Amino acid sequence: DAKTTQPNSMESNEEEPVHLPCNHSTISGTDYIHWYRQLPSQGPEYVIHGLTSNVNNRMASLAIAEDRKSSTLILHRATLRDAAVYYCILRDRYSGAGSYQLTFGKGTKLSVIP
Amino acid sequence: EAGVTQFPSHSVIEKGQTVTLRCDPISGHDNLYWYRRVMGKEIKFLLHFVKESKQDESGMPNNRFLAERTGGTYSTLKVQPAELEDSGVYFCASSQDPLLGPPGTDTQYFGPGTRLTVL
Repeated sequence: DAKTTQPNSMESNEEEPVHLPCNHSTISGTDYIHWYRQLPSQGPEYVIHGLTSNVNNRMASLAIAEDRKSSTLILHRATLRDAAVYYCILRDRYSGAGSYQLTFGKGTKLSVIP
Repeated sequence: EAGVTQFPSHSVIEKGQTVTLRCDPISGHDNLYWYRRVMGKEIKFLLHFVKESKQDESGMPNNRFLAERTGGTYSTLKVQPAELEDSGVYFCASSQDPLLGPPGTDTQYFGPGTRLTVL
C-alpha cells in the first residue's frame, strides 16, 4: 500500500468542525482511501472510505482532492468523544488473492477542548 | 450483534513463560486478522486467516508466535516462550469476505485488544 502523511497532532474546540488532512501523493488509481480512528484504550474503528468522489456518512465526511493526492476527513461538530488517533490508510482494490491487511501509520492525534 | 471480543484484556507474565490470547470474531466473518502495537511503535499486521486457513502470515515476527483457528471460528495466538520485546497490545479484527463488495472496500472490525506485559 502507498504511503500517507498526516500531521502528528491537532486540536479542536468542542462543537466546532475539524478538518484532518492526509497527503498521499503516490496514490495509485486503484487505491481506496480509508479512515480509521482509535479511541483511548480501544481497538481501531472504521470511520469512512472513498475512491474519487466525496463521501458522507453518519460519522464524518471525506473530501478527496481532484488529483487524489490528498484527502480531508471532516468532523462537522467535534465532541469530546471524538478525541482519538485518526489514521488515513490506502487500500488497493486489486488485493486479489493476497492479504487484505491494513497498514497503519502514526496517524493524527486529535484533542478536543471543552 | 456482538462485536469482536478478546480474552484476556490484560496479561502479565514472566519472560520465558507461555501466554495464549484468544479472539472471537463477529459471527459469520470468515476473515480474521491479528495486529499488535509494541511500545512507541505503530500498529503492525501479524497474520490473516480465511476460515481456518492462514492466508498471509508475513507479519509474524518469529517462530515463537503460533496462531491457530480451528474450525474457522475463534482464534488463538500463542507466544512461547515470551520475551520482553513481546510486550504490547494485541488486536484482533474480523471482516466479511472482501470480495462480497467492491475490492478494497471491506471494513475490519477490531476488538478492544489484549495488553501483554512481559516482565
